Amino acid sequence: VQLVESGGGVVQPGGSLRLSCAASGFTLSPYSMHWVRQAPGKGLEWVAVISSDGGTKYYADSVKGRFTISRDNSKNTLSLQMNSLRAKDTAVYYCAGGPRELAPNYYGLDVWGQGTTVTVSS
Amino acid sequence: DIQLTQSPSFLSASVGDRVTITCRASQGIRSYLAWYQQKPGKAPKLLIYAASTLQSGVPSRFSGSGSGTEFTLTISSLQPEDFATYYCQQLISYPQTFGQGTKVDIK
Repeated sequence: VQLVESGGGVVQPGGSLRLSCAASGFTLSPYSMHWVRQAPGKGLEWVAVISSDGGTKYYADSVKGRFTISRDNSKNTLSLQMNSLRAKDTAVYYCAGGPRELAPNYYGLDVWGQGTTVTVSS
Repeated sequence: DIQLTQSPSFLSASVGDRVTITCRASQGIRSYLAWYQQKPGKAPKLLIYAASTLQSGVPSRFSGSGSGTEFTLTISSLQPEDFATYYCQQLISYPQTFGQGTKVDIK
């Protein structure tokens, strides 16, 4: 049971990047799926969530209007399209699986990927 | 947005010590709280959910308590593998904010 992120890299300010998260050993479809990021030497920041059916999405204010979360349950994948990138978006991005129920829920994020690094720099 | 404040931010302790970390919410969140452990270069690991329920496979020396605005994570007898950074996360509303973290290192 694991999640594997890909798509990280170095991008100039104002640029775009698309992150992917693939599940192996289990099916994503019953889970709400999240992106959480961690800037170098800093704490965890929740970024976005998408419901199990893809119909409901929420974003942190810091990325709203620039990032788009999506999923393809038929391909067992999660994505994060990141546009208008800023230096402050530099971080390790983790995908994580949560309960089917959106907030409020009691269960937390119990499956995590290993992270992919995004660096925004000129 | 709901703010979570952890204390202390850093903690030095010895193997065998009892360790307590506090997480305070800026408004009441009932029992909608989780705790995570993160080691350097690794993804976070869920330890406790619903404020006090131990995730499967997590050693029983970890425990959580609290409701409303004040929560605690306790490690009853610190083991070498427990030196890490610990985060709380509120699960009641989006954005599902995290505390700033508490780093536990070796005295």
